[in-house]
Amino acid sequence: GAVVSQHPSWVICKSGTSVKIECRSLDFQATTMFWYRQFPKQSLMLMATSNEGSKATYEQGVEKDKFLINHASLTLSTLTVTSAHPEDSSFYICSASSGASDTQYFGPGTRLTVL
Amino acid sequence: GEDVEQSLFLSVREGDSSVINCTYTDSSSTYLYWYKQEPGAGLQLLTYIFSNMDMKQDQRLTVLLNKKDKHLSLRIADTQTGDSAIYFCAESFTGGYNKLIFGAGTRLAVHP
Repeated sequence: GAVVSQHPSWVICKSGTSVKIECRSLDFQATTMFWYRQFPKQSLMLMATSNEGSKATYEQGVEKDKFLINHASLTLSTLTVTSAHPEDSSFYICSASSGASDTQYFGPGTRLTVL
Repeated sequence: GEDVEQSLFLSVREGDSSVINCTYTDSSSTYLYWYKQEPGAGLQLLTYIFSNMDMKQDQRLTVLLNKKDKHLSLRIADTQTGDSAIYFCAESFTGGYNKLIFGAGTRLAVHP
């Protein structure tokens, strides 16, 4: 149980385009989903927390207009990187939990490369 | 503030025990976690311990928590080559949405 998937697993795009990444909880209802960013050989940095049906809460320094998060259902959250630039290239990982105090289960990550 | 620190690298011989250490600064954490990340993959939850516990054992994994020193360790018995990965410790807090603060990760290399 507690499987989280992400799609796509990797994406290459041109500078200036927008990219959407999906995060799905496959066998449980995720009331809360989290989006992280990981640079090579570094730790995970929380970008934002989203609750189903609510606006996402962004961490300090994360541009909400650049990283659009939608948590439309209890099994799906999307992260859209708008007008992507090379500095947005990174490994994006989502996680999901079934309650505010429950364990987070992580997706396999999406590697974004912006040319 | 919230800060989690780990040593960056550990090398062990196959069959030996591995001990990965982690220190944290915020005593109000509720749970402490150990995650494993293999190259190019997401994070796999290995084990966790509630902050009022001292020890937890799960097969080859033993977690020790010293609340006084704010020190957490993960011991892997009979380390195998498949255990080679990056291990992250993380602490979580209530009062929000279970926000996790991660350490920088310890790269475990297992050699024959």
